[in-house]
Formats: sequence, structure tokens, C-alpha cells
Amino acid sequence: KQEVTQIPAALSVPEGENLVLNCSFTDSAIYNLQWFRQDPGKGLTSLLLIQSSQREQTSGRLNASLDKSSGRSTLYIAASQPGDSATYLCAVSAATSGTYKYIFGTGTRLKVLA
Amino acid sequence: SAVISQKPSRDICQRGTSLTIQCQVDSQVTMMFWYRQQPGQSLTLIATANQGSEATYESGFVIDKFPISRPNLTFSTLTVSNMSPEDSSIYLCSVEDEGRNTGELFFGEGSRLTVL
Repeated sequence: KQEVTQIPAALSVPEGENLVLNCSFTDSAIYNLQWFRQDPGKGLTSLLLIQSSQREQTSGRLNASLDKSSGRSTLYIAASQPGDSATYLCAVSAATSGTYKYIFGTGTRLKVLA
Repeated sequence: SAVISQKPSRDICQRGTSLTIQCQVDSQVTMMFWYRQQPGQSLTLIATANQGSEATYESGFVIDKFPISRPNLTFSTLTVSNMSPEDSSIYLCSVEDEGRNTGELFFGEGSRLTVL
């Protein structure tokens, strides 16, 4: 059974710092890995999608990498800003009973201090 | 990317009542997904709704408690029936990017439900 873990659970950093969020998964047979941002009480915003054949994706100050063999992904945020404060979730898509389903991690709650 | 609208955005309900959440997508999609996020928890898939067929429920979720409708390719509803305080959660509607066939998942703003 696929399990997704995110470390750390919470992180507080000063503005301007570069930071890394970690996501690990137990079964390397994934289709996609996706990173999301969630503001308190709100829905999820898609940040980056890495398909299984890809190693990394970049969008602005965000860079996500994927190492399927080790079951890991990292989300790198450069020059963090207070507006980056949110919960970051990773999710892996894997085949289950003939269809693909996403399994979500528990998230990393990030606070960037001004 | 798909634009997904959910109603209501939040509600406070009494124990024993039912609430229907609506989800509208700006493009036609084959599947729509309903998730639940309990306080402080991650997302759990409730069911997958296909147009023209019964929804497929995940383990631990039943149709009597969470009936789903899917009348067309852009709309779905989820009803939370006979609510108890344990049903207090954010309920989220999502769709995949079927146009580009990437499997990328998009979400609505969620419906925050508090049951007293």
C-alpha cells in the first residue's frame, strides 16, 4: 500500500532563505508526482507536476525533483517570501485496481517571517 | 488548467441534517473526484463520479452517507447525509487535466463544513 510522508511537518524560516521540503513514498511504481500549496481553510493550488519519466520541473522560484528509485521528491523554494507561507502537500499518482489514484502526504506547514 | 467552482464555500450545520455541495467545472471532464480533509489531516478520496454511471466509492465511504450526482460532464454534487460533528471537514472537488492528458489534478476552493 502506497504511503506518502512529508518532512518536516512544520517549518519556520526568515524571509529570503532558500529552503527544501521533502516528500517520500513507499512504492516507486508511480505515474505522477504533484506538489500543491494550500492556504488555511482553502482548496489546493497546483504548483508543479512531475511525470514519471521526468526528473525535475521548475516554475519561477520553485524547483521540484523526483527520484523514483529512492522514493523521494524535494521541493526547493528560493528566496522565500512571507507570501509563501502556506501548507505544501505532495501527492503521488499510482495504479490501483485498474485506475490511477492520488495518495496525499500530510503536508509541511511553512511560515516565512518578515 | 480547469477552473472549478464550489458552493457553498462554508456552512455551519446542525447534527442530523444533510447538506449538498455543488461543483461546477469550466470544461467537460470524464471524471470528477470528491475528497475530504478532516482538521489537521491530509486529503482522503471519497469517491470518483463518472457521468452516466454510479459513483465509485473508496473503502470506508458509502453511498447512503455520501450520495453523489453527476448529471452532465461539467457538474457534480456531493451530499453529506445525517451529519455528525465527525463530518466537520473541508470537502474538495477536483478534476484531472484531460485536455493535455497529463494526469495533473486541479481543485476547487473547497467547502468548509462545521457540524454542531
